[in-house]
Amino acid sequence: DAGVIQSPRHEVTEMGQEVTLRCKPISGHDYLFWYRQTMMRGLELLIYFNNNVPIDDSGMPEDRFSAKMPNASFSTLKIQPSEPRDSAVYFCAGSTGGGELFFGEGSRLTVL
Amino acid sequence: AQKITQTQPGMFVQEKEAVTLDCTYDTSDPSYGLFWYKQPSSGEMIFLIYQGSYDQQNATEGRYSLNFQKARKSANLVISASQLGDSAMYFCAMRENMEYGNKLVFGAGTILRVKS
Repeated sequence: DAGVIQSPRHEVTEMGQEVTLRCKPISGHDYLFWYRQTMMRGLELLIYFNNNVPIDDSGMPEDRFSAKMPNASFSTLKIQPSEPRDSAVYFCAGSTGGGELFFGEGSRLTVL
Repeated sequence: AQKITQTQPGMFVQEKEAVTLDCTYDTSDPSYGLFWYKQPSSGEMIFLIYQGSYDQQNATEGRYSLNFQKARKSANLVISASQLGDSAMYFCAMRENMEYGNKLVFGAGTILRVKS
């Protein structure tokens, strides 16, 4: 049974470039979360979806960040244009109702 | 205001001994859930244990137990018989407003090092 799949695992890009992070949640999980982890700010919730609908995007840092979930098996987090301060590990996680979150292995982004 | 507070940035424990990692939380919602996750150096987030606010008994999962003191708003993780593989970052997290949302808020974490 595959877990949450994130791609790419590592991304190095230059400032100003567009970055797209992808997530395939576990089948049947109706909640999907995007978190960002940095040394300074810890684990921050960026946005979460329920049944493909964005519920709370108050954690999205600014308009350069956008997230979509076109169907139950796929979500993207896009940063355009990217900046060095966006360097972080981005986690996708899913859950059913009030259960625990199942995390992907994360996408490590480095913006030069 | 901090929802989840983990006051111990780092802890050391001798192999085979027990260790307690502290977590206090802040909520006015009567319905909430508390979680502990482990993050080893490889980076993945591993779910360890869950405690619901209405649960009468403290949660246990193998060597992990949760010392839930509702009146004090604390949910400390106890790891018994520590192993070298327990060396990792440990995060406490809370889900509140369970009827209206489902997001987890995480504490800053505690780094645990198990010494041989």
